[in-house]
Parts: sequence; C-alpha cells; structure tokens
Amino acid sequence: KAGVTQTPRYLIKTRGQQVTLSCSPISGHRSVSWYQQTPGQGLQFLFEYFSETQRNKGNFPGRFSGRQFSNSRSEMNVSTLELGDSALYLCASSLEASYNEQFFGPGTRLTVL
Amino acid sequence: KQEVTQIPAALSVPEGENLVLNCSFTDSAIYNLQWFRQDPGKGLTSLLLIQSSQREQTSGRLNASLDKSSGRSTLYIAASQPGDSATYLCAVLGGSSNTGKLIFGQGTTLQVKP
Repeated sequence: KAGVTQTPRYLIKTRGQQVTLSCSPISGHRSVSWYQQTPGQGLQFLFEYFSETQRNKGNFPGRFSGRQFSNSRSEMNVSTLELGDSALYLCASSLEASYNEQFFGPGTRLTVL
Repeated sequence: KQEVTQIPAALSVPEGENLVLNCSFTDSAIYNLQWFRQDPGKGLTSLLLIQSSQREQTSGRLNASLDKSSGRSTLYIAASQPGDSATYLCAVLGGSSNTGKLIFGQGTTLQVKP
C-alpha cells in the first residue's frame, strides 16, 4: 500500500508570492492534517480536513488555507509569503477520525527568499 | 492548554545499550499518544500508537508505556544500533480542548555510536 505522498518536495519562492502544496493520503484514509515544522517552533498544527470539510484549525493567520477534494487529496495554500514561512510542511493521513494512527508524508521543504 | 515535554533533548550512547526516552504531558484527557521517528530532513515515521485505555505497546525492540494519571510515557529501545540514530518525537491527541490535533514535544535526538 502506497504511503502518503506530497508534492513538490522542494520549493523556493520569494516574499509576496503564493504557493500551493499537495498531499495524497493513503488509499482509504479520509482525514488529512497539515503541520508546519521549524527549528524554533517545532511541529505545529495547521488544519485538518475530513470529507472535504475543515474540521480543526490551528493558530495560523488567514494567509494559510487549505481544501480537500472528494478523493481525499488535499492542498494547502499560503498567500503573500513571508520569510518566516520557510519550513518543512508535513501532511498526515488517518482512516476515519483523527484519533486513529496518523501517517506522515515526506514533507515539502519551502524556502522563502 | 496541553503541553508536551521530552527529556532529554539529546542523548548519545554506545551501540548495544538499552535506553529510555521520556515524554510528559500536562492534560491527562488524551485520546492517544503516538511515538514517531524523524531522520534529518525527512518526514515522520510512526513507531507506536498507544490508545488512552492501553498501558503499553511493543514492536520489535521498541516498547512504549503510558501512564495517563501521571501524564507520562516512556519509549524503551533495547539493544540500540547505529541505525536507531534519529530524532524521536512523542505526540498526544486530544485534551480538554478536544481539538483533534496532535501536540508534539520538541523531540529527543539520539546518537548511537558504533
């Protein structure tokens, strides 16, 4: 069974631009969560989607948004990029509810110049 | 507000040693606790999941325990190998706010020397 996939793996953008990251969950998984990982803040929850609906949201500004499609694939978008958005963005999927075991993808490394 | 702490932040041991990594959390109302491994620049690999009703889980050389009442979990690694070198993260799900999100500790970076 294929694991969680994320594309692209690496991105370089400049301040003010916007970016879209993609996540394909494990087949059959319906819950997708997004996390930001930085050396200073560690891993922080962005949001969770289930059945195309945002079910939970972390403490991030409105520049961070996401969506989920009917096939459970998810995208997150960051608009008006700032230097501080440079991070590893990780996606996790689980079967039905977030209290099931969560499986993470390899991440997308975003660098903002 | 749920907070997760991992001690020690870093650990260096000779190959073959048994070791224990510690994780503590402030709110005992959790759904589950999950241990992950992260290699440099990589994603997270799930090692063990302990549901709130369970006391321990085992997988190969790994054993994780959970004591909800005291807000503690330990990850025991038997007969450590150089390939075990990585950062180990614990994360809890749930808490009185019930946001459904994983709250992570800062991790313990383990180095196993040949």
